Amino acid sequence: EAGVAQSPRYKIIEKRQSVAFWCNPISGHATLYWYQQILGQGPKLLIQFQNNGVVDDSQLPKDRFSAERLKGVDSTLKIQPAKLEDSAVYLCASSSVWEGATEAFFGQGTRLTVV
Amino acid sequence: GENVEQHPSTLSVQEGDSAVIKCTYSDSASNYFPWYKQELGKRPQLIIDIRSNVGEKKDQRIAVTLNKTAKHFSLHITETQPEDSAVYFCAASSYNSKLTFGKGITLSVRP
Repeated sequence: EAGVAQSPRYKIIEKRQSVAFWCNPISGHATLYWYQQILGQGPKLLIQFQNNGVVDDSQLPKDRFSAERLKGVDSTLKIQPAKLEDSAVYLCASSSVWEGATEAFFGQGTRLTVV
Repeated sequence: GENVEQHPSTLSVQEGDSAVIKCTYSDSASNYFPWYKQELGKRPQLIIDIRSNVGEKKDQRIAVTLNKTAKHFSLHITETQPEDSAVYFCAASSYNSKLTFGKGITLSVRP
């Protein structure tokens, strides 16, 4: 089965610029997550979608971050304007919920450097 | 919300020895506890998981134990090998809720 696809793999931007990341989850997975992983730390959930609805976005900095999942499949995460502290790896994951388990499969991530 | 903690942040063992990594969680409603392994520059990958209706699960050299009363769960790796060196993350979630990760532990296996 194909895995979670993300693009781009790397991105370098200047602060105050905008950037967008794309994610294509595993086919049939209803749940899609965006995580931010700062170097040396665990993944921190930014937003969780169930189909095209938002389940949790409590840790998404909504003044600068936005995400959408049109048609309940692909998703994009946008940062505008970027700050130096946004430098991190942005991981997309998807899962198919059954029997209460939520095994998440991760993409390769997008490494963002803000200079 | 859920809070997952891992201690210590690093662990070094001799090849062939066992390694035990512990995590605690705060939300008694959590019922799913996966462990992920992340090698340098790569994506986190699930290595084993356990649900709250069992106390232990084993898969070859790795096992996970869960103590719901104390709200902690542990990863056990036996006969460690250099390729086990990586960052290990524990996580917890309840049905259809977010997966909350710990900060990770760096395991080093000395040849």
